[in-house]
Amino acid sequence: AQSVTQLDSHVSVSEGTPVLLRCNYSSSYSPSLFWYVQHPNKGLQLLLKYTSAATLVKGINGFEAEFKKSETSFHLTKPSAHMSDAAEYFCVVTLFFQKLVFGTGTRLLVSP
Amino acid sequence: GAGVSQSPRYKVAKRGQDVALRCDPISGHVSLFWYQQALGQGPEFLTYFQNEAQLDKSGLPSDRFFAERPEGSVSTLKIQRTQQEDSAVYLCASSLGTEQETQYFGPGTRLLVL
Repeated sequence: AQSVTQLDSHVSVSEGTPVLLRCNYSSSYSPSLFWYVQHPNKGLQLLLKYTSAATLVKGINGFEAEFKKSETSFHLTKPSAHMSDAAEYFCVVTLFFQKLVFGTGTRLLVSP
Repeated sequence: GAGVSQSPRYKVAKRGQDVALRCDPISGHVSLFWYQQALGQGPEFLTYFQNEAQLDKSGLPSDRFFAERPEGSVSTLKIQRTQQEDSAVYLCASSLGTEQETQYFGPGTRLLVL
């Protein structure tokens, strides 16, 4: 069975500082991993996905994530936070692109 | 629009009522998924269709939950005899269905059972 653990329920940063949202996964096979973002009252939007190609994945809005098999991690980073980045972020794992298994989410707070 | 749409966006039901939630996937998308998102939690898988075939319903929490997609396009999630614990946001997603295809989510239906 696959699962993901998001290590922080809340992360607070100041605008212009780096963002790090942590995710560890568990999977019996080579997984596909995603980060989705959910803004209030809006649908889930895909930020980026890892599908066993390059281990460093670049996504939208300046976000990127690195797949580290030795650490079973897929942390999300951004060099400089923007106020519009404030949202809920979900790390997601899937096998064979069928059902997605979501983490519990990390709420990113960005202060001026 | 070209995205996944869901209706209604909000639904208030009295305990014991039946409800029906609709999902219109992106045109041409073969696969359709339903997820349930409780307050403060991540979405959890309910069921999955490929065209009109329901290939996985392992996430449906009880036999009060029923989903259909009779013509391989629009899908309806029905909850019979609603209970307070059914209160959640119900999310629909669709994908092209081929390997490595992204799931695109609708805005969800927020169900409140009183």
